Amino acid sequence: GQQVMQIPQYQHVQEGEDFTTYCNSSTTLSNIQWYKQRPGGHPVFLIQLVKSGEVKKQKRLTFQFGEAKKNSSLHITATQTTDVGTYFCAPPSAGGGSQGNLIFGKGTKLSVKP
Amino acid sequence: NAGVMQNPRHLVRRRGQEARLRCSPMKGHSHVYWYRQLPEEGLKFMVYLQKENIIDESGMPKERFSAEFPKEGPSILRIQQVVRGDSAAYFCASSPVGDRINTIYFGEGSWLTVV
Repeated sequence: GQQVMQIPQYQHVQEGEDFTTYCNSSTTLSNIQWYKQRPGGHPVFLIQLVKSGEVKKQKRLTFQFGEAKKNSSLHITATQTTDVGTYFCAPPSAGGGSQGNLIFGKGTKLSVKP
Repeated sequence: NAGVMQNPRHLVRRRGQEARLRCSPMKGHSHVYWYRQLPEEGLKFMVYLQKENIIDESGMPKERFSAEFPKEGPSILRIQQVVRGDSAAYFCASSPVGDRINTIYFGEGSWLTVV
């Protein structure tokens, strides 16, 4: 079945350091979403990527979609304590799954030391 | 512009009781999704509903779980005869009418604890 792997599972950084999380799929994706979930909170939509090789930026966050549309990454420049949380990539379910049927990996849990 | 509203936020049930979780989608959204998140895990899709229709229930357990989205009122996720393994956070999400893209917006969740 379809699998989504995110690495690393945990990342501890010093405030000001950069952070990157990688998302790999066993199948080619039509699109991919990224969500952030703060401890005890709910997933918050960050971005959607659709095109092969697409790069999108949101302030200190840079999202990339691989040329083959099987992987994606999120890079945060100069992390801040407000970046703490778990970052999930979430592609749609393969095999004709309905819209909104997203596959979430275990995510990357980011902690930032002040 | 209110987001996705879920209640109760926290619910404690004894084994064998029923749990009912409610969800009102964002204004202008008529597609509702339920996800479950076990501790330290990602979210798992359960069901996708539109008004009075279940569109995709491929993630719903075969027994004890049901969902509805009536013509009037919120969507309800119902868990009968709860067991300890049902303890989890249940998130509802919604998306706009006619939106073919997979972006969905989550509510703050309902945390179910079965004792």
